[in-house]
Amino acid sequence: EAQVTQNPRYLITVTGKKLTVTCSQNMNHEYMSWYRQDPGLGLRQIYYSMNVEVTDKGDVPEGYKVSRKEKRNFPLILESPSPNQTSLYFCASRDFGDNEQFFGPGTRLTVL
Amino acid sequence: AQSVTQPDIHITVSEGASLELRCNYSYGATPYLFWYVQSPGQGLQLLLKYFSGDTLVQGIKGFEAEFKRSQSSFNLRKPSVHWSDAAEYFCAVGPNFGNEKLTFGTGTRLTIIP
Repeated sequence: EAQVTQNPRYLITVTGKKLTVTCSQNMNHEYMSWYRQDPGLGLRQIYYSMNVEVTDKGDVPEGYKVSRKEKRNFPLILESPSPNQTSLYFCASRDFGDNEQFFGPGTRLTVL
Repeated sequence: AQSVTQPDIHITVSEGASLELRCNYSYGATPYLFWYVQSPGQGLQLLLKYFSGDTLVQGIKGFEAEFKRSQSSFNLRKPSVHWSDAAEYFCAVGPNFGNEKLTFGTGTRLTIIP
């Protein structure tokens, strides 16, 4: 089944404790992206990647890092999480031959 | 810069009534437009999309949307809502070439009353 998976789905952590949210897609898509969803703000892009080893900032990159060492994986790294990073995070992927983005199920992160 | 406006934060309709959710966009070229639905505690599901051609687009779950270039709108409609349609609905425009990102509206929460 074609899908985007994220882990963990739920995470509660404390300020300053490094964490990684994994994202993996099995559709051989070149493009991957991370969004965060906050009430009243919709979804905003954090980082994106056009292909392996090619990443760039989206609209709200502060406090986040990403890497793209393999085509299928695009982890989101929070080196020192803060409470304002409490949010719902979505990973998405897309093939350059199509215009539809496929979204993962979301990761709900709470930073205390 | 591209942008999307969903002017209605919250809409309440009776079950069986018709529905229209508004979406206005700003985009420098021919837009690619999408409607997504997010049920409580769930991820995003694509309802329908418009790239070109017929301006009336049919989607899943009985939804349709009409692209009106002159009004920069892409409103979502359903003739008769069901209680299971209660959810949050997001309009999006894209891609932003070079980034390929989607720009989302702030969403419209739909409540269905019996």
